[in-house]
Amino acid sequence: DQQVKQNSPSLSVQEGRISILNCDYTNSMFDYFLWYKKYPAEGPTFLISISSIKDKNEDGRFTVFLNKSAKHLSLHIVPSQPGDSAVYFCAASVGGGADGLTFGKGTHLIIQP
Amino acid sequence: ETGVTQTPRHLVMGMTNKKSLKCEQHLGHNAMYWYKQSAKKPLELMFVYNFKEQTENNSVPSRFSPECPNSSHLFLHLHTLQPEDSALYLCASSQAGGAYGYTFGSGTRLTVV
Repeated sequence: DQQVKQNSPSLSVQEGRISILNCDYTNSMFDYFLWYKKYPAEGPTFLISISSIKDKNEDGRFTVFLNKSAKHLSLHIVPSQPGDSAVYFCAASVGGGADGLTFGKGTHLIIQP
Repeated sequence: ETGVTQTPRHLVMGMTNKKSLKCEQHLGHNAMYWYKQSAKKPLELMFVYNFKEQTENNSVPSRFSPECPNSSHLFLHLHTLQPEDSALYLCASSQAGGAYGYTFGSGTRLTVV
């Protein structure tokens, strides 16, 4: 059973608008969440993270929101730019991640001009 | 260049071949990981090494054999693979086995024929 779910395989957004990528998890032991961005033929690159003691973390155009009661997190990108077109992976860890990360299947974000 | 280097980038091998994937990190991290990414599936954790000791083997078939001679190098030895083992194999490293600073390599695209 998937513990981290990204239910939208793809998302198309117009340049300049807000992109919202969603992620749900089932394991209440997860205490650290990360978003990774992946271009074709490259490994995932770290984007932004959030600890379970927070409900929001912001870094430039990227903001991650965490709703622990709903076991839901979202990544907001505003304004969206053409270079943001990539696959975005949500990941979660228990106790700091020493035993590895659990990933979702990813959402392919397409920014349209 | 992310600081985690994987070689080769592409590998085609027959089912009776023996080959090895190599991963090298120069980030001073002390935990290293192997992940597998198959089409339309989440990244799957295969092996975890903390301070050169294997701490996790995620029910991986014995035809995959990891080796971690020191905290900077990680190998994945492959033998008698099946076509369904064709995937992108990703190496990652992190500091103190934590999710913070988790960095991926670009991966090895493996095709088993």
